[in-house]
Amino acid sequence: QQQVKQSPQSLIVQKGGISIINCAYENTAFDYFPWYQQFPGKGPALLIAIRPDVSEKKEGRFTISFNKSAKQFSLHIMDSQPGDSATYFCAETSGSRLTFGEGTQLTVNP
Amino acid sequence: KAGVTQTPRYLIKTRGQQVTLSCSPISGHRSVSWYQQTPGQGLQFLFEYFSETQRNKGNFPGRFSGRQFSNSRSEMNVSTLELGDSALYLCASSRRTGETGELFFGEGSRLTVL
Repeated sequence: QQQVKQSPQSLIVQKGGISIINCAYENTAFDYFPWYQQFPGKGPALLIAIRPDVSEKKEGRFTISFNKSAKQFSLHIMDSQPGDSATYFCAETSGSRLTFGEGTQLTVNP
Repeated sequence: KAGVTQTPRYLIKTRGQQVTLSCSPISGHRSVSWYQQTPGQGLQFLFEYFSETQRNKGNFPGRFSGRQFSNSRSEMNVSTLELGDSALYLCASSRRTGETGELFFGEGSRLTVL
């Protein structure tokens, strides 16, 4: 059973806009919250990650916001580009395994 | 530095057959994990191997098995294939067990069961 709820399922934004994807988790034992990006025909690739003792992490145009009390975290993509069009997965780690969200298919229109 | 290599990339089997998928991790990586990706269930953890030992196992039936060799290469096997086993099987490697945040995925083996 899915322990990570991800929304929206799909997202369309215009070039230069902000893309926001949200995730909610249940298990407080998770110790690391990565986001993965997957292009068609490729495996997922680590995009950015955050630990629960940090509220925000920024790397270039990508920012993770983490709300421990609400058990939610989100990915913000600033100045979205057509090359960002991909499927994004949030995930949680516990020990040696990743639990993934359902995925968000992002389309950035030129 | 070569990435994670999975073979074969595509294969078609019929119900009741068995299949073996292979994974070569990034050089120096000793942990190999396997995930199943389907449109309906998403990405689900199968198992993880480190130093030739299974360290963790997901919620899959015993028809799904794996092993790791001394050179860290791994194989997974699915016996008595069912239609629902059609999926993209992804292998991921990391330097050590527990480094789930630093997983590097291969491009997967796409299995179709007819």
